[in-house]
Amino acid sequence: DQQVKQNSPSLSVQEGRISILNCDYTNSMFDYFLWYKKYPAEGPTFLISISSIKDKNEDGRFTVFLNKSAKHLSLHIVPSQPGDSAVYFCAASNAGNNRKLIWGLGTSLAVNP
Amino acid sequence: KAGVTQTPRYLIKTRGQQVTLSCSPISGHRSVSWYQQTPGQGLQFLFEYFSETQRNKGNFPGRFSGRQFSNSRSEMNVSTLELGDSALYLCASSFGAGQTNYGYTFGSGTRLTVV
Repeated sequence: DQQVKQNSPSLSVQEGRISILNCDYTNSMFDYFLWYKKYPAEGPTFLISISSIKDKNEDGRFTVFLNKSAKHLSLHIVPSQPGDSAVYFCAASNAGNNRKLIWGLGTSLAVNP
Repeated sequence: KAGVTQTPRYLIKTRGQQVTLSCSPISGHRSVSWYQQTPGQGLQFLFEYFSETQRNKGNFPGRFSGRQFSNSRSEMNVSTLELGDSALYLCASSFGAGQTNYGYTFGSGTRLTVV
């Protein structure tokens, strides 16, 4: 039973446009959410995170939005660049579970020139 | 500085055998976590070691075990291999225990195939 769901396995976007990657979760105890990016043949790399006390966190072209009532978060990439093409993983954790990360299955983003 | 090093990169084993994978963390990092990645289940947490002690454990059978040495290097062992153990095994290191954001660095993984 997936506690963290990324319902879109893939997404294709034109260079310069906005990419929106979505993530839903079922466990209301999650209080910390992270996005990781993974290129082929490499391990995931941390991208951005958000605590449940906030509803938005921004870092350059990357913004994460959290809607706790809907148990939904999204990652916005503006503007999208070809180098952003990768698999994006959403992950969640809670202090009560010793910060064990629960991961979504990932969304493969292709940014076309 | 050198990143997280996992050896070997690729491994083929036969059902019933056992396997040991190695992870050398970034210098100065004391926490090492292990994950299994499969297409159907995604990334699943195996365990975390900090200062040679298992700090956290996922929901895997006892065939999966690990340890950490005084130099923070970690090994994981899978005994009595099953076909379903075929996966990419990733380790991640960090300075502190339970740290999962900045500074949480993954290795490139070991691709295990069980035949």
